[in-house]
Amino acid sequence: AQKITQTQPGMFVQEKEAVTLDCTYDTSDPSYGLFWYKQPSSGEMIFLIYQGSYDQQNATEGRYSLNFQKARKSANLVISASQLGDSAMYFCAMREGPDNYGQNFVFGPGTRLSVLP
Amino acid sequence: GAGVSQSPSNKVTEKGKDVELRCDPISGHTALYWYRQSLGQGLEFLIYFQGNSAPDKSGLPSDRFSAERTGGSVSTLTIQRTQQEDSAVYLCASSQDRSNRYGYTFGSGTRLTVV
Repeated sequence: AQKITQTQPGMFVQEKEAVTLDCTYDTSDPSYGLFWYKQPSSGEMIFLIYQGSYDQQNATEGRYSLNFQKARKSANLVISASQLGDSAMYFCAMREGPDNYGQNFVFGPGTRLSVLP
Repeated sequence: GAGVSQSPSNKVTEKGKDVELRCDPISGHTALYWYRQSLGQGLEFLIYFQGNSAPDKSGLPSDRFSAERTGGSVSTLTIQRTQQEDSAVYLCASSQDRSNRYGYTFGSGTRLTVV
């Protein structure tokens, strides 16, 4: 079974508008972390935002926010005021286990976001 | 260094040949990871090193794949007798310690093409 599901293979958004990229996850571990990464055409993976399973508030980092709905096992990324430079692949990832436990991540298949001028 | 450095950036090899991919993590980062990304796909975990602990090799797809990390720093991923299905981008990442709260720092990857 897929641990991370991203149902939108591609998304378009108009410049300056907000966009939501969907991510659902599957785990039975009570302690886990959720991450979003951006991969532009250059290929490098860029860390965007993190949400811990015990965090009380939704994570925010500048124009990025994470809409964390624990009961629904959903961790959608919201990008506000889209910019042309936001065009990239976006990956949702999950680490099972507590913060201080080194463990590999499981990545979703990604969503390709295209920002239109 | 300032970032995670991978070399070569591109590698074309003939089927059946061995290849070595190198990763130089950020100085002081104790955790190092290798991932593989096939065209248009997500990331597939290969192997994980943490300090002096035995590596987690659970993601290596076959015994043709191996990796080592010397002196707790530079890592080499070796693929023996390459096959066409090995063609992918191989990404290396490092993190400061066992805490992964702030994610990994990834290198730019090595694009491997087996012809």
